[in-house]
Amino acid sequence: SQTIHQWPATLVQPVGSPLSLECTVEGTSNPNLYWYRQAAGRGLQLLFYSVGIGQISSEVPQNLSASRPQDRQFILSSKKLLLSDSGFYLCACREDPTNEKLFFGSGTQLSVL
Amino acid sequence: RKEVEQDPGPFNVPEGATVAFNCTYSNSASQSFFWYRQDCRKEPKLLMSVYSSGNEDGRFTAQLNRASQYISLLIRDSKLSDSATYLCVVNHNYGQNFVFGPGTRLSVLP
Repeated sequence: SQTIHQWPATLVQPVGSPLSLECTVEGTSNPNLYWYRQAAGRGLQLLFYSVGIGQISSEVPQNLSASRPQDRQFILSSKKLLLSDSGFYLCACREDPTNEKLFFGSGTQLSVL
Repeated sequence: RKEVEQDPGPFNVPEGATVAFNCTYSNSASQSFFWYRQDCRKEPKLLMSVYSSGNEDGRFTAQLNRASQYISLLIRDSKLSDSATYLCVVNHNYGQNFVFGPGTRLSVLP
């Protein structure tokens, strides 16, 4: 089974600073990868998903971007953080399109001050 | 109307009680349904898939009603360790967007 590594666990950043969150996956090849955000007391919102290297689909327009430079690496970035970017960011993996189960990394709690 | 709706709770129940959560979804094209469990400040973890015929896993029973577009989760003989937020998840047409409900919080009290 796959293992999802996500770091850091917590991050405090000032408004206007850049962001880079990394997610790496072990134990599977060519997974579908996802970035979700969970605001306090709210449901998970899909931000980006990727079905392969260099393939990124965005679900919500915002000042965030994502990249997939390697098969098992998914990166979430921002050039300038906003207060509204605060939240719990979760990377998720789906082993293949026929397997509908999502598995999550441990998440990054981002506070933008 | 939100795509997936849940009663946020909290549901406060004594140990040993039976508790049920409902979830409604608005997109009739939804094909796949799941319950996830999320502990405070942790990642969601898959609890169980929900099948059309209903399914059971130990103390947990999930049901799907396509006509009324709702899903339910029943927990029997509640344990303290069942305290968590339960997320209802819906997938449309086996696509990429798994839509999460806001979750129902359960507290099992000693």
